[in-house]
Amino acid sequence: DTGVSQNPRHKITKRGQNVTFRCDPISEHNRLYWYRQTLGQGPEFLTYFQNEAQLEKSRLLSDRFSAERPKGSFSTLEIQRTEQGDSAMYLCASSPTGFEAFFGQGTRLTVV
Amino acid sequence: RKEVEQDPGPFNVPEGATVAFNCTYSNSASQSFFWYRQDCRKEPKLLMSVYSSGNEDGRFTAQLNRASQYISLLIRDSKLSDSATYLCVVNMDNQGGKLIFGQGTELSVKP
Repeated sequence: DTGVSQNPRHKITKRGQNVTFRCDPISEHNRLYWYRQTLGQGPEFLTYFQNEAQLEKSRLLSDRFSAERPKGSFSTLEIQRTEQGDSAMYLCASSPTGFEAFFGQGTRLTVV
Repeated sequence: RKEVEQDPGPFNVPEGATVAFNCTYSNSASQSFFWYRQDCRKEPKLLMSVYSSGNEDGRFTAQLNRASQYISLLIRDSKLSDSATYLCVVNMDNQGGKLIFGQGTELSVKP
C-alpha cells in the first residue's frame, strides 16, 4: 500500500497520560499536514511541514501538542497530559506540491 | 468570520436530483481551491480541484468566483452513492501553504 499510513488506528488513554502518533507519508511527498477532526466538523488545521521544517503551527494548539518530522520522511504528533477535550480523530495528509493533499485513515483518540 | 464557510446541511434529495453546495472564503489572496468528499468514519478524499474559472468532471461541476470569494459544487443526476459529506478546502496563500477546511455539508440521496 503506497498511501499515507497512520499508526495506531485507535488509542484509548487515561487523562493526564502522554500519547504519540505516527504518520508515514506517500514517498517523496515533501509536504506533511496534521489535522484534528471532531464529529460534525471539518478537519481543523494543526501544523504542517515542508520536508523537516515545521512551517506553521495553529494558534489554537496548546503547548501540550508538539510535532516533529526529523528526517523529512515520517512525522510524529505528541500530546502531553491529555485532556478529555483532546478526544478526536487525528488526520495526517501529505502532498507532493503543497496543493492537493492525500489523507491517511487517521488515529482515533479517546481520553477517558 | 471563519476562514472557510459552507452551507449548513444536511441536504436530503431524491435520486436523480441536482444539488448545489456553496462555500465562501475570507482571504482574497487564496489561490487554489478544492472539494473533498468524506464518507462516514473515513478520511477525506479529493473530489475535484478548482484552479481557474471552474471545471467539470462527469456529473460534478465546480465553479469559482474570485470577485465574490465564492466557490460552488454542482452535482447532477444524484446517485445513492453520492451520499457523503462534502468539504470545501482553500489554500490560504499562493505558495502552497496550509489547507483550510470548511465544516462540511452533509448530503443524503434517497431512493
